[in-house]
Amino acid sequence: ETGVTQSPTHLIKTRGQQVTLRCSSQSGHNTVSWYQQALGQGPQFIFQYYREEENGRGNFPPRFSGLQFPNYSSELNVNALELDDSALYLCASSAGHYNEQFFGPGTRLTVL
Amino acid sequence: KQEVTQIPAALSVPEGENLVLNCSFTDSAIYNLQWFRQDPGKGLTSLLLIQSSQREQTSGRLNASLDKSSGRSTLYIAASQPGDSATYLCAVRPAGGSYIPTFGRGTSLIVHP
Repeated sequence: ETGVTQSPTHLIKTRGQQVTLRCSSQSGHNTVSWYQQALGQGPQFIFQYYREEENGRGNFPPRFSGLQFPNYSSELNVNALELDDSALYLCASSAGHYNEQFFGPGTRLTVL
Repeated sequence: KQEVTQIPAALSVPEGENLVLNCSFTDSAIYNLQWFRQDPGKGLTSLLLIQSSQREQTSGRLNASLDKSSGRSTLYIAASQPGDSATYLCAVRPAGGSYIPTFGRGTSLIVHP
C-alpha cells in the first residue's frame, strides 16, 4: 500500500509568481484535503476535494485553488504569491469526509 | 467557532516517564478527534482516532481518552522513549455537516536519555 506523496519537497518563489503543488493520495482514498502550516502553528484547512469536486473551503482567498483528478491525486495552485504564503503545505487523504486522515510529508514553500 | 488548545506547549521529561498531553476544545458538538505526531519539518503521522461515541482508544504505549461533555481529550504515553520526541497535535472535526477540522498548536515533547 502506497502512502500519501507530495512534490516537490522544497520550493523557492518570488512575490507575485504562481506555484503548483502536487499530491498523490493513498490507495483507496477518494478525499484529499490541503492545509497550510506556518511555523509553530497547527495546520490551517485550505480546502477539500471529494470525487473531483471541491466540497469544503477554509478562510483562504480565491487565489488558492485546486483540482482533483480521476485517480484522486490533487493539485494546489497559488497565484500572486505573497510573503505570508511561506509555509509548509500539507496534503491529507482519507476514505471519505470524516474518516481518519493520512498526511503526506509536505512541501516547504518559501516566498522571497 | 471551535477553538482547540493544547497544554503544555512544551514538555521535557527523562526517559521512562509516563506522561499525559492535553487537548481542550470549546464546542462539544464534535464528530471525532484525531491525535497526530509531527517530526520537525515533516508531515503528520496519525496516532489515534476517537469517534464521538467512544471514550478511549489504545495503540501500543499510547492511550487517548475523550470526554465530550467537558471538552477534553488526553493522550497518555507510557514508558516514554527518546524516539517519542516530536510535536503532538490534536484535531477536532465538528458534527452537523461541516467536517472542516480544527487543529491545536501542538505540544512539543522532548524525551531525554
